Amino acid sequence: GAVVSQHPSWVICKSGTSVKIECRSLDFQATTMFWYRQFPKQSLMLMATSNEGSKATYEQGVEKDKFLINHASLTLSTLTVTSAHPEDSSFYICSAMGGINEQFFGPGTRLTVL
Amino acid sequence: GQNIDQPTEMTATEGAIVQINCTYQTSGFNGLFWYQQHAGEAPTFLSYNVLDGLEEKGRFSSFLSRSKGYSYLLLKELQMKDSASYLCAVSPPGGTGFQKLVFGTGTRLLVSP
Repeated sequence: GAVVSQHPSWVICKSGTSVKIECRSLDFQATTMFWYRQFPKQSLMLMATSNEGSKATYEQGVEKDKFLINHASLTLSTLTVTSAHPEDSSFYICSAMGGINEQFFGPGTRLTVL
Repeated sequence: GQNIDQPTEMTATEGAIVQINCTYQTSGFNGLFWYQQHAGEAPTFLSYNVLDGLEEKGRFSSFLSRSKGYSYLLLKELQMKDSASYLCAVSPPGGTGFQKLVFGTGTRLLVSP
């Protein structure tokens, strides 16, 4: 089956620093990847759609200058949380389109900002 | 926009059957999906419905009624490992195929011995 990996699986950083999270499709190419955020005991909230070779499309209320997305190749998308603050602490999950109607999710990255 | 509602929590006994409902109000959609998510892990795909009716997949079945804006996930022969959150998601219209997903509030299911 299609596999999506994320790195790192967890990260702790100081307030004001930037953190980069990688999302890779390991055995398939994905022109479209998605980034979600999930706070404790809540559902997934879509942050942005990442398209290879073009700018990401952000959902309403998501700051594009704070959450930088780069989809430089067909197997890699990165999310950089710039100037992170404690309220950015969350579980960040990516997914990749493996076909017309199926998304494969990565294992998630838990970010804790001190 | 989309408004997707699910019960917050449900409890059931091992070996029993449980039905998790999902109601939605959308301006249209390409499909409805069900995912399972264990605590601290990513969601895993369970099923999807495009047309009205029942889709069966082993111990899991999913039903859709587009006219009623209603879906349910049916879990049979419950096992302890089925304790997890179950997420209903809708793929909004537009785009190519089933693109982005809008998730419901999720239902935490606790299976007891």
